[in-house]
This record gives sequence, C-alpha cells and structure tokens, in this order.
Amino acid sequence: GQNIDQPTEMTATEGAIVQINCTYQTSGFNGLFWYQQHAGEAPTFLSYNVLDGLEEKGRFSSFLSRSKGYSYLLLKELQMKDSASYLCAVKGGGATNKLIFGTGTLLAVQP
Amino acid sequence: DAMVIQNPRYQVTQFGKPVTLSCSQTLNHNVMYWYQQKSSQAPKLLFHYYDKDFNNEADTPDNFQSRRPNTSFCFLDIRSPGLGDAAMYLCATKRTGTDTQYFGPGTRLTVL
Repeated sequence: GQNIDQPTEMTATEGAIVQINCTYQTSGFNGLFWYQQHAGEAPTFLSYNVLDGLEEKGRFSSFLSRSKGYSYLLLKELQMKDSASYLCAVKGGGATNKLIFGTGTLLAVQP
Repeated sequence: DAMVIQNPRYQVTQFGKPVTLSCSQTLNHNVMYWYQQKSSQAPKLLFHYYDKDFNNEADTPDNFQSRRPNTSFCFLDIRSPGLGDAAMYLCATKRTGTDTQYFGPGTRLTVL
C-alpha cells in the first residue's frame, strides 16, 4: 500500500527553527518533494530529494533517508509568511511521475 | 511569465448541473494532471495526460471526465456534480524527463 505520514499541525515562533517530519511507505520510490501551500492557494514547489542527504536552499533545507523511509523539511529564521501547510509527496515509478501526497502539516508561526 | 492558468478561480454550480473547469499552460509541458483536494486533505490524483494519452486513476468516479484538445489546454468535466464533489481542483504540468510538477492556482468548486 501507499502511506505517507506527517504531523497534522505544528506551532513555532518567529525567528526560530522548525523541523517537519515525513515518513513514507510506498510501492515505488523515485524521489520526494516538499511543497508549500497557503490557504486557498495552489501548492508551490520547495524542494526535491532523490539521494540520501541534505539539500539546502536558502532558509529551507530538506533531508532524505531512503533506507528509513524518512524525510524532513527544516525551516530557519521563521517568518510570519511561512505560516502555511507543508505537503510531503513521493514520486512513484514510471514515466508519468505520479505524486502521492501526504495530508500536509499546518504550520502556524507566532510572533 | 510562463505559467499554469486555471479558470475560473471560483465556480458555483447546482447539484446535478454539469460544469467544466479549464486549465491552460504556457510551459509547453507534455504531461498534465488533474487533482482534487478537499478541505484539510491531500491532493488526490484524478487522471493525467501523457501527451494525448489519457490515464485514469482506478478510483476516479465516472462522473469525472477530461479532454485535452491540444498541448496547452486541458478540461475537467463533472457531468453531474454532487455535494461531495465540492473541493479545490488543481491542474499541474510537467515535462517528461524532469521531476517537478508545476501547479496552477486551482479552481474552488462549490455545489449548492
């Protein structure tokens, strides 16, 4: 079966660091995406990991361990505008790159 | 700017009245996807086009149909909307050989 688990909600303070975890069990794996989705808007691409390790992109970093079926998204120097839902998505096999999404983690950044 | 456009952004329809949502893209991507996202849930893939080849997900109801008249445009037709079809409908595109799907802004459908 296909299963992607993320915490439902998290709260953090402006200027702090927050780590959002994602664990997955899927029948195929060709990479893992993180998307940011503000309320009522479309998901926007944040990061993509296909090999183990850490990918850093400005304030956002994403880590992958394929052997553990585990990823995390790290957000540094949190800003109020980072309040959003963060979706973990696993890319399945095949040419069409089907994405299997988790239900998302709703992050609330407080002053 | 190259982008994925969805019209309308908000659509209201009546129970049982057919409705069509549209998606267009200027990215010249050959793969297009339609997702349904209900409140506080993950996006759920309904179907996708790989070039002109239509690929339906096994659990997509027959009530949902799609057309892709050319590379740039893709339509989602809901033949007889029910109250349970109220959701955000997301269009996404991708080019074969690349990894990232690009999403449009979505159409929020309300069924009265």
